[in-house]
Amino acid sequence: NAGVTQTPKFQVLKTGQSMTLQCAQDMNHNSMYWYRQDPGMGLRLIYYSASEGTTDKGEVPNGYNVSRLNKREFSLRLESAAPSQTSVYFCASGPLAGVINQPQHFGDGTRLSIL
Amino acid sequence: GQQVMQIPQYQHVQEGEDFTTYCNSSTTLSNIQWYKQRPGGHPVFLIQLVKSGEVKKQKRLTFQFGEAKKNSSLHITATQTTDVGTYFCAGSNAGGTSYGKLTFGQGTILTVHP
Repeated sequence: NAGVTQTPKFQVLKTGQSMTLQCAQDMNHNSMYWYRQDPGMGLRLIYYSASEGTTDKGEVPNGYNVSRLNKREFSLRLESAAPSQTSVYFCASGPLAGVINQPQHFGDGTRLSIL
Repeated sequence: GQQVMQIPQYQHVQEGEDFTTYCNSSTTLSNIQWYKQRPGGHPVFLIQLVKSGEVKKQKRLTFQFGEAKKNSSLHITATQTTDVGTYFCAGSNAGGTSYGKLTFGQGTILTVHP
């Protein structure tokens, strides 16, 4: 049971480079989320997809874009990486479409450093 | 916007001692969830509380949701080294526009000394 799979696990970029973080879940979940985790700040929502075909901004969307490619996959793109985007990125999924009261299942994270 | 504050930020205990972390929201919550993240790992869902004044137990862990649904606590009795990690609360607004979104507290990092 893979659950939520994120690739890559680690990445180092130079300022201005672009990259896409991949996330896939095999639990037939409807909702998917991207968070970033910084020391002392908990997890902050970047973007979410309440169901296949929809995406919406979270708390800290600036500098990011997302694509809900299909029900399984939800990617996060950094168009022009900045040092402030150095963080650990977590993808999560939830079984229900657009429902607040549901547990979220997290991937192992991508540790991203921007030099 | 909604804010969820969690205290303390750090807690060091001797194995066998009790531990409590508190979570306070600036707004009334529809529910609160608790997650545990082991060092180097990812958050793992522990429990969800929905009802005012609700208390739930999982072995040595006791979770409470305040009567006003604006605060919550997690209490661990007789800590073990396996309890090490960061404990997060996460809340959703009651009837607001937080469609599918959780606001996480900053987390409490628990260290257990054997």
